[in-house]
Amino acid sequence: TQLLEQSPQFLSIQEGENLTVYCNSSSVFSSLQWYRQEPGEGPVLLVTVVTGGEVKKLKRLTFQFGDARKDSSLHITAAQPGDTGLYLCAGGSSYKLIFGSGTRLLVRP
Amino acid sequence: DTAVSQTPKYLVTQMGNDKSIKCEQNLGHDTMYWYKQDSKKFLKIMFSYNNKELIINETVPNRFSPKSPDKAHLNLHINSLELGDSAVYFCASSQSAQTHYGYTFGSGTRLTVV
Repeated sequence: TQLLEQSPQFLSIQEGENLTVYCNSSSVFSSLQWYRQEPGEGPVLLVTVVTGGEVKKLKRLTFQFGDARKDSSLHITAAQPGDTGLYLCAGGSSYKLIFGSGTRLLVRP
Repeated sequence: DTAVSQTPKYLVTQMGNDKSIKCEQNLGHDTMYWYKQDSKKFLKIMFSYNNKELIINETVPNRFSPKSPDKAHLNLHINSLELGDSAVYFCASSQSAQTHYGYTFGSGTRLTVV
């Protein structure tokens, strides 16, 4: 069974701080995606990375795919209250996405 | 104009009943999915259809039966509902079955079995 473990499970920080969320697996994935989910809504795609070692930046968010395509990280610079939400990583395998356990982020004003 | 729409948003029903959830996408995508999100927010795939053909069926009890009348619609029928079926069910679509295409999710159907 392929599993994606995210850490930390919960993160509460002050506005302006930096943070990193990790997504780890013992399995290799063909692609890795990050989503953000807000209460009462479905997950919304933030980024897709497909090449080992790939780094993508989306404004204050930086995403990295591990060289071996087994892990990924999401770094947020100068977090804002609008970044609050549930962050989910998802690995692509055999025509489906396997989702991680989630990281709940709270950014306090 | 909602890209992936699910109905109903909330569903409260008694054990043993049969219920359906409908999903429609207007993105022209080829592939649609049903995912179940439990109380710990863990999302698990249930089914996937590509151009109306079932391509993934993930050890889901046969009380759950998906139906795709065309590639824009994927419905989920559940027979003999059990307490453990209570969860949020998400429909999603993607351009193709290749996983590097992102998924577009609906806003979910919260099913409560009492």
